[in-house]
Amino acid sequence: GAGVSQSPSNKVTEKGKDVELRCDPISGHTALYWYRQSLGQGLEFLIYFQGNSAPDKSGLPSDRFSAERTGGSVSTLTIQRTQQEDSAVYLCASSYTTTNEKLFFGSGTQLSVL
Amino acid sequence: AQSVTQPDIHITVSEGASLELRCNYSYGATPYLFWYVQSPGQGLQLLLKYFSGDTLVQGIKGFEAEFKRSQSSFNLRKPSVHWSDAAEYFCAVGGTGRRALTFGSGTRLQVQP
Repeated sequence: GAGVSQSPSNKVTEKGKDVELRCDPISGHTALYWYRQSLGQGLEFLIYFQGNSAPDKSGLPSDRFSAERTGGSVSTLTIQRTQQEDSAVYLCASSYTTTNEKLFFGSGTQLSVL
Repeated sequence: AQSVTQPDIHITVSEGASLELRCNYSYGATPYLFWYVQSPGQGLQLLLKYFSGDTLVQGIKGFEAEFKRSQSSFNLRKPSVHWSDAAEYFCAVGGTGRRALTFGSGTRLQVQP
């Protein structure tokens, strides 16, 4: 596609439910990132995929969070047993190779946990 | 560990006035530095980046930033602000290692007519 696509754009869920957020990066980009932006906060790094290497999961806040990237393209971020503090905008970005390249961001998924 | 500090949460300037947004970083080696802008209802967009060479870098929309190693700073500047520059600005640091970019908490810019 022309840009990074994220779905859904908005997600409202009840506390304790599981959610899946999807990211479709720009075709040919080998690097994919997930960040979280809470109200009034900066971008918090969650996880980074680079090609076939093991992902950098150092930013995941708890074991309720996980992500996978299938076939080196689409990525899914899963949050299990959601909590109210998980409410945030989840941003996905991709770049051609490494973090030293320009990141292209999607429009994000606004997650609201009631 | 790498980190970025943007000391100003919110800045208001008049249209046509000059602008400087502050950014301080912590990084163990030569940093790669970036400024991104997030306009209302839009995704983040790269304004400019510094990798090496000339410490004054030019970006899009008339922005520039200066890398000062001695001060661990990478401040963003614009000589004359336009109303369309109202947005949130994020400074970020990265490097040659396999680490994702670390972003600051952002500075929200408001432009008064």
